[in-house]
Amino acid sequence: DSGVTQTPKHLITATGQRVTLRCSPRSGDLSVYWYQQSLDQGLQFLIQYYNGEERAKGNILERFSAQQFPDLHSELNLSSLELGDSALYFCASSVGTLLYNEQFFGPGTRLTVL
Amino acid sequence: ELKVEQNPLFLSMQEGKNYTIYCNYSTTSDRLYWYRQDPGKSLESLFVLLSNGAVKQEGRLMASLDTKARLSTLHITAAVHDLSATYFCAVVTSGSRLTFGEGTQLTVNP
Repeated sequence: DSGVTQTPKHLITATGQRVTLRCSPRSGDLSVYWYQQSLDQGLQFLIQYYNGEERAKGNILERFSAQQFPDLHSELNLSSLELGDSALYFCASSVGTLLYNEQFFGPGTRLTVL
Repeated sequence: ELKVEQNPLFLSMQEGKNYTIYCNYSTTSDRLYWYRQDPGKSLESLFVLLSNGAVKQEGRLMASLDTKARLSTLHITAAVHDLSATYFCAVVTSGSRLTFGEGTQLTVNP
């Protein structure tokens, strides 16, 4: 158990809908990262937050957004869902933003868009 | 753009045999991770390789890093069925984001 929690574990929804994925980082970690794992794209970085502020953006679609709250939990919002958004979404956390800060991964949320 | 390539992508091997998974990356990085993923599960960190020439071993797995060649290897010794999983290498780049390889799906047959 990495100490990173994600809810829900599974989410099934329809095209066009909007969902919110939640992540709580390890105690003491200020950085949160979101990754998407799909058959087509593999594992790819979406976005990073540090202490409430966006720090880096990867291949995140405009339909997706994220935020980190004062209590350091983070939410990833996915809207106007398409079939291709079906994937496993991982959250990871680290102490800081430095290259040597190891990231610890949560169990993931499996999103199925029908 | 950083590219991380693993080979092979699929590996079927017999118990007791040895094999090596290769990870090549296209830009300078002094930090490389190896992860294990079981189907539908999260990523389990296996090794963190921090510098050129680094070698780490845990059980039947040994990882090494050559930063000059931009190459890391994961060597499996005397494979057992429990090692069946998908193995990813990942390189740390700017902003501390991880860029992952495609993954190597390992199946160890009795």
